[in-house]
Amino acid sequence: AQKITQTQPGMFVQEKEAVTLDCTYDTSDQSYGLFWYKQPSSGEMIFLIYQGSYDEQNATEGRYSLNFQKARKSANLVISASQLGDSAMYFCAMREGDGGADGLTFGKGTHLIIQP
Amino acid sequence: DVKVTQSSRYLVKRTGEKVFLECVQDMDHENMFWYRQDPGLGLRLIYFSYDVKMKEKGDIPEGYSVSREKKERFSLILESASTNQTSMYLCATLSVGLAGGEQYFGPGTRLTVT
Repeated sequence: AQKITQTQPGMFVQEKEAVTLDCTYDTSDQSYGLFWYKQPSSGEMIFLIYQGSYDEQNATEGRYSLNFQKARKSANLVISASQLGDSAMYFCAMREGDGGADGLTFGKGTHLIIQP
Repeated sequence: DVKVTQSSRYLVKRTGEKVFLECVQDMDHENMFWYRQDPGLGLRLIYFSYDVKMKEKGDIPEGYSVSREKKERFSLILESASTNQTSMYLCATLSVGLAGGEQYFGPGTRLTVT
């Protein structure tokens, strides 16, 4: 079974609209972390936002927020007021246990295209 | 700012060649990782290292080896390159002290094996 599932291979959104990128995860660990990364066409991986399994509040970073629903094992990324520069691949990833020294497990990604 | 550099952005090698991909970080991080990225598959972990001379297999280690002789440098080695190793290779680092476990990535090496 996949540990990280991103069900939207691609999305087209009008500029200035809000966007929700879906991510569900599967782990039996009590302590884990969830991440979202953005990868523009240039290829670099840009860290966007992090949510720990024990965090009670949803994480927010500027226009990015993470809609964390622990019981449903979902960690959707919400981008408010989308911009043309938001067009990129977006990856959801999970760290199992504490520390992250064993690496992250990534989803297959969602290709987001913002249209003017 | 953390800086992770990779020796090449683009590389073309022939089948059977030995290939070295180098990754250097300047933040004294203990943990380093090599991932490969393929369309529709996301990033998959090849090898990682907790410390100098330490290495652990990730999810897809077959056909690869690694070397970590110095803390700042983590090398990925393709002993005999094959066409199915054509991919984007990403190096990442992690400082154990970070609460979240965020990884910092290098710019990637796009390897083509012909």
